[in-house]
Amino acid sequence: DAGVIQSPRHEVTEMGQEVTLRCKPISGHNSLFWYRQTMMRGLELLIYFNNNVPIDDSGMPEDRFSAKMPNASFSTLKIQPSEPRDSAVYFCASSATNRGKGETQYFGPGTRLLVL
Amino acid sequence: SQQGEEDPQALSIQEGENATMNCSYKTSINNLQWYRQNSGRGLVHLILIRSNEREKHSGRLRVTLDTSKKSSSLLITASRAADTASYFCATEETSGSRLAFGEGTQLTVNP
Repeated sequence: DAGVIQSPRHEVTEMGQEVTLRCKPISGHNSLFWYRQTMMRGLELLIYFNNNVPIDDSGMPEDRFSAKMPNASFSTLKIQPSEPRDSAVYFCASSATNRGKGETQYFGPGTRLLVL
Repeated sequence: SQQGEEDPQALSIQEGENATMNCSYKTSINNLQWYRQNSGRGLVHLILIRSNEREKHSGRLRVTLDTSKKSSSLLITASRAADTASYFCATEETSGSRLAFGEGTQLTVNP
């Protein structure tokens, strides 16, 4: 198995532009998580899906952030418009759980986002 | 919100020594997990210990859990330079369905 796949690996954009991050979870996993990691705030859970349904999006910072999971093998995290404070590493993780309980999460390599 | 707090924030040891990292948390948990992150990479799961377990081993790793003190420790024995990484504890609360990660301990093992 290729593991969790994220694209792009690096993204540099200008303030105000739309950014779309993509994630392909491990086949057979039914939970998917989006995290953001910064030096100041550490690792923060933004949103997670179970069976393609968003379960908890309380970590999404504001309306500029949106996430979708149209099917079991694909998810996107969109920032529109982007701001410099969105610069961070964004991780996608997946697990074979029910509502995210009690099992290992497998992380992708992350997308390093820089908003100028 | 972050629940686990690791201690120390940074640890530097010589190859062959043991490394001990601690994690404290605040609420009741279903389980506690330890992850490792190499620089510029994603997190990798190391070990999971459930709330009814007190100790668990995996290779050179030993994890303990004391639910009365709401704390856990990760011991890496006979450390190697390749163990250099950040180590995070993550707790799954009984009230919710998400993992809360601590800020991590940066371990440096000098050859």
